[in-house]
Amino acid sequence: EDKVVQSPLSLVVHEGDTVTLNCSYEVTNFRSLLWYKQEKKAPTFLFMLTSSGIEKKSGRLSSILDKKELFSILNITATQTGDSAVYLCAVEKGNKLVFGAGTILRVKS
Amino acid sequence: GAVVSQHPSRVICKSGTSVKIECRSLDFQATTMFWYRQFPKQSLMLMATSNEGSKATYEQGVEKDKFLINHASLTLSTLTVTSAHPEDSSFYICSARGPPARAGGHEQFFGPGTRLTVL
Repeated sequence: EDKVVQSPLSLVVHEGDTVTLNCSYEVTNFRSLLWYKQEKKAPTFLFMLTSSGIEKKSGRLSSILDKKELFSILNITATQTGDSAVYLCAVEKGNKLVFGAGTILRVKS
Repeated sequence: GAVVSQHPSRVICKSGTSVKIECRSLDFQATTMFWYRQFPKQSLMLMATSNEGSKATYEQGVEKDKFLINHASLTLSTLTVTSAHPEDSSFYICSARGPPARAGGHEQFFGPGTRLTVL
């Protein structure tokens, strides 16, 4: 059975801290791994990773994929209260996405 | 570009009634749309894949007669929850596979979701 496991389930940090969110997967027919940020409503796209070892960056966020060890990390540096959200990892399998349970991040001021 | 809308954003209905939720891709054509359900503090669970002009593909455990999906045009898919019951109360989110120019068509764009409450 396909599995996407995220850790930690929740995290509370202070503004300015750096956080690392983890996503491991066991999915057949892997095509890509995606990270989303979900606040009150629908998820918004952060990154799509298809190749191992190539870091993707967007501002204070970065992510990398290891296809040999079957995991990805999402880093957020200098966290801000606006980073508080649920971060979802999803693996594209064939035509569809298999989501992890998410990591709830709360950044305290 | 690549905006997906959903309507309504919130609906409250009585047990036994049917509810229709619309999902539209506003500025691109989407041959494939997806319907998800999300319970509080849980992740998105794929319910079905909706393909324009053909029958939807349902995930295991999802009753196709209860959750009717129609994808009659390249910009509109509808989900009808028939004979809704309180246990159907959830957050329903649709997504549309983006145009090939965006990440080779791999990226999914999500609608804002519909909160369904069945009394």
